[in-house]
Amino acid sequence: RKEVEQDPGPFNVPEGATVAFNCTYSNSASQSFFWYRQDCRKEPKLLMSVYSSGNEDGRFTAQLNRASQYISLLIRDSKLSDSATYLCVAQAHIEKLVFGTGTRLLVSP
Amino acid sequence: GAVVSQHPSRVICKSGTSVKIECRSLDFQATTMFWYRQFPKQSLMLMATSNEGSKATYEQGVEKDKFLINHASLTLSTLTVTSAHPEDSSFYICSARPGSTPGASGGSSYNEQFFGPGTRLTVL
Repeated sequence: RKEVEQDPGPFNVPEGATVAFNCTYSNSASQSFFWYRQDCRKEPKLLMSVYSSGNEDGRFTAQLNRASQYISLLIRDSKLSDSATYLCVAQAHIEKLVFGTGTRLLVSP
Repeated sequence: GAVVSQHPSRVICKSGTSVKIECRSLDFQATTMFWYRQFPKQSLMLMATSNEGSKATYEQGVEKDKFLINHASLTLSTLTVTSAHPEDSSFYICSARPGSTPGASGGSSYNEQFFGPGTRLTVL
């Protein structure tokens, strides 16, 4: 079983739609969680951290459920520029990031 | 903001040759640098963690004699793929973690890693 699991997608949505991605992690010792965005053939870029209380950054909302070991990312009012792969990341050890395989999002006009 | 560069961005080599990839932190000192590998449609997998002035720590299954890592200064780490084979063809990405977040006021963030643009290695 992979340590961080995501639905690979792709999720095909029209502009303006709301889309949600889910992620589960198996290491209960994981302390910190993040969503990264990766464009094709590029490096990942930090989108946002995920806190137990839930956090929002503009159109993006992230939630963490420690009891279920589940993380989510909600994107509202999707833009064409949101098309990318979204990587769920868990961190147990202070330095080691464990990446999921990513969920691909395609936003169409 | 923090900038990490990698060189080369793309390399094609013959089987059996060695390839060196450089990772530089341009505007901060990186006490720790990380090397990842990403195969098509797979996740980034940590290969090794390097701390300036000490030996790298390799993840399970990564051959330290094949993937040589040198972190000789606070701004430069190199990964050398020795005797490369076609199965080593992959996207190699480094990241760097500063002692404190560049540009931040009043202390550091969690310990954000800043990623380089990656090096695409093709071994023929």
